[in-house]
Amino acid sequence: NAGVTQTPKFQVLKTGQSMTLQCAQDMNHEYMSWYRQDPGMGLRLIHYSVGAGITDQGEVPNGYNVSRSTTEDFPLRLLSAAPSQTSVYFCASSRISGGAVYTQYFGPGTRLTVL
Amino acid sequence: GQQVMQIPQYQHVQEGEDFTTYCNSSTTLSNIQWYKQRPGGHPVFLIQLVKSGEVKKQKRLTFQFGEAKKNSSLHITATQTTDVGTYFCAAGGSARQLTFGSGTQLTVLP
Repeated sequence: NAGVTQTPKFQVLKTGQSMTLQCAQDMNHEYMSWYRQDPGMGLRLIHYSVGAGITDQGEVPNGYNVSRSTTEDFPLRLLSAAPSQTSVYFCASSRISGGAVYTQYFGPGTRLTVL
Repeated sequence: GQQVMQIPQYQHVQEGEDFTTYCNSSTTLSNIQWYKQRPGGHPVFLIQLVKSGEVKKQKRLTFQFGEAKKNSSLHITATQTTDVGTYFCAAGGSARQLTFGSGTQLTVLP
């Protein structure tokens, strides 16, 4: 099993450009999520999904879109990149039961710089 | 929304010394998870605590969940250079989200 995979590993964008960060998991997990990690601020939840066709906003959703057409894939779209979106982005997946999120398996991350 | 405070933010120890990081919430938690992130890496799950007053051990690591389920701690006995990294707590509720603490960055000096 590959676990959680993310592409690309590194990306540099210019302000105003758009792009999609890819995330895939092969563990048949219902729950998938996107976090951003900034120095001294831990991991902040951007969007999450509890199954195909179901997505919801996390703590910092502005400027990002997601969709979940299959159980395996959960892409994150930056609509119009801004320097404030320079960060490390992690995708994670897990089981979920009764609203409780279980062990999160993280991908290797995408390091994004917006100039 | 739910907030989780984690202290300290940084900790430098000599190899062989003990280390503790603390996680506190103003609300009762359904569970708490702990993760370790090596420099340049991604968070890796260590353990989950669910029961009030629960204590779990993994070799030199001891995890505790408070009686009121509002706080938790991770204690490492006799640190080694392999313990270097950032340790995060993550609080679970019923809101289908995990709330991460800001992390404690541990440096172990040889």
